[in-house]
Amino acid sequence: AQTVTQSQPEMSVQEAETVTLSCTYDTSESNYYLFWYKQPPSRQMILVIRQEAYKQQNATENRFSVNFQKAAKSFSLKISDSQLGDTAMYFCAFGGGSEKLVFGKGTKLTVNP
Amino acid sequence: EAGVAQSPRYKIIEKRQSVAFWCNPISGHATLYWYQQILGQGPKLLIQFQNNGVVDDSQLPKDRFSAERLKGVDSTLKIQPAKLEDSAVYLCASSSNRGRKETQYFGPGTRLLVL
Repeated sequence: AQTVTQSQPEMSVQEAETVTLSCTYDTSESNYYLFWYKQPPSRQMILVIRQEAYKQQNATENRFSVNFQKAAKSFSLKISDSQLGDTAMYFCAFGGGSEKLVFGKGTKLTVNP
Repeated sequence: EAGVAQSPRYKIIEKRQSVAFWCNPISGHATLYWYQQILGQGPKLLIQFQNNGVVDDSQLPKDRFSAERLKGVDSTLKIQPAKLEDSAVYLCASSSNRGRKETQYFGPGTRLLVL
């Protein structure tokens, strides 16, 4: 069974600075997808970024980018120029052959003014 | 495009009572998911529908939980009877097609408190 581990329960960053959230996963599959979801206090889960395992190039979406290390089974999220609106829970998720998503426990990120 | 709708947003019940949650996915989305998110944890899949058929219900406690998706659109998740450990946020999500390639879009969730 796949597992997703987020080792940082809480993190904080100053506005305009850069922060990196860590995620590791365990799988025996070779073809899969990885996701970062954001869950603000309002509880609506929003997709931040996704990465296909067969792609070597790291995904980027504006201020959000990932560092995907397939051999190390690592998938970290970098947020540049942090904004107050980035304050939320961030979940790393694995999507394998079974189609369902397996989520980590989340990292609570606080952006301080 | 309207997002995933869920109701109610909040529900408080006593243990052994029954409760039902409703979800309306994004129009045209064939796949619908129900997740349970216990405080301090990530969401856990309870059941996945493809149109009106069940694809995966391996983690659904079938002795007390049931779900249906009539006509392949709206879905209802029911708990009968509820236990204290059922207190959680119940998230509904939908995607446009079967397959892990497709992004799942989540609703706002229903927060359930069982006393």
